[in-house]
Amino acid sequence: KAGVTQTPRYLIKTRGQQVTLSCSPISGHRSVSWYQQTPGQGLQFLFEYFSETQRNKGNFPGRFSGRQFSNSRSEMNVSTLELGDSALYLCASSFPRASGGSGTQYFGPGTRLTVL
Amino acid sequence: AQKVTQAQTEISVVEKEDVTLDCVYETRDTTYYLFWYKQPPSGELVFLIRRNSFDEQNEISGRYSWNFQKSTSSFNFTITASQVVDSAVYFCALSEGDAGGTSYGKLTFGQGTILTVHP
Repeated sequence: KAGVTQTPRYLIKTRGQQVTLSCSPISGHRSVSWYQQTPGQGLQFLFEYFSETQRNKGNFPGRFSGRQFSNSRSEMNVSTLELGDSALYLCASSFPRASGGSGTQYFGPGTRLTVL
Repeated sequence: AQKVTQAQTEISVVEKEDVTLDCVYETRDTTYYLFWYKQPPSGELVFLIRRNSFDEQNEISGRYSWNFQKSTSSFNFTITASQVVDSAVYFCALSEGDAGGTSYGKLTFGQGTILTVHP
């Protein structure tokens, strides 16, 4: 079974631009979560989507948004990029317990975003 | 609010030594899950183990073992006879279960422990 895939793997943007990152979950997984990893703040939860609905949101400004499609693929968008948005963005998918799964999150390789 | 603390920022050992990574957590929920992930230099988080709050049995998987103690809110991870390939950053994480059990999609991570195993 293919793992979680994320595109692109690397991205360089300048301040003020916007960016869209994509995540394809493991086949059959309907929950997708996004995390930001920085050296200073560590791994922080951004949001979670399940069946195209945002179920949970972390403490990030409104510039960070996401969505999930009917095939469970997810995108996250960051508008008006700031230098501090430079980070590794990780996507994870899971098969929720309510659906008979374990709920364990499996992570993709991440997208490394650099904001200049 | 939930919190995970990994007090050891960096650990350095020589191959074949045993090493224990500490994890202490805080939560007000009675139902929760604990995890350990490994992050090699490639960056991808690799799932190692999941333990629910009702199961305090220790677990052993090859050279890896986990000690879960609710009384001390700890979930420690031991690598026996460490190898160079074990060098990575290890994260302990917690997710709380909502009443309906429909989603455990938010993981709270510790700051990670950098493990370096020297040959």
